[in-house]
Amino acid sequence: QVQLQESGPGLVRPSETLSLTCTVSGGSISDYSWSWIRQPAGKGLEWIGRIYTSGNTNYNPSLKSRVTMSLDTSKSHFSLQLTSVTAADTAVYYCARETPSFDYWGQGTLVTVSS
Amino acid sequence: DIQMTQSPSTLSASVGDRVTITCRASQSISDWLAWYQQKPGKAPKLLIYRASSLESGVPSRFSGSGSGTEFTLTISSLQPDDFASYYCQQYNSYPRTFGPGTKVDI
Repeated sequence: QVQLQESGPGLVRPSETLSLTCTVSGGSISDYSWSWIRQPAGKGLEWIGRIYTSGNTNYNPSLKSRVTMSLDTSKSHFSLQLTSVTAADTAVYYCARETPSFDYWGQGTLVTVSS
Repeated sequence: DIQMTQSPSTLSASVGDRVTITCRASQSISDWLAWYQQKPGKAPKLLIYRASSLESGVPSRFSGSGSGTEFTLTISSLQPDDFASYYCQQYNSYPRTFGPGTKVDI
């Protein structure tokens, strides 16, 4: 059974960089696309971007200037960096496998942007 | 970007009711549509993919239909475990986009 687990700081200061990692277990990270999705409290789901195991990426145009994704097959994890964060970036961040619907999700991690 | 809309935004129903949620895309997405169920504090769960294919392990009371720009999710007989929020999502093109959600409550 594939499992995904997000990790990273729960609190980030405004203007700094949010960094999260998603570790994949129970299955191969290779030959799939992996996405980040976020959800502000009480609101809907926003797709941030995805990375394929080749390194190819697609980002949401609304965030593209601030987003970088990377993937390490040897460690079976992929990562998200979001720069210049503001309070509007406060949300639960999920990682998910894209096949191309999202069939496996992490449990989510709350990231709060506050000084 | 392809915009997704859902109706209704909230639906009040009872156990045993037949429930239908509608999702519309701003342009044709063929059948590249998925439906998810989300309960409070939990990650979304895939119910339906390719508009009408039931994900493994999902009860058969859930069904999906539609193509092009209009889609429906139907729960044939609502069960207590089904009170949750439901989201549609298109994967015809990037960026992937979700509908705003439909909350099914009592």
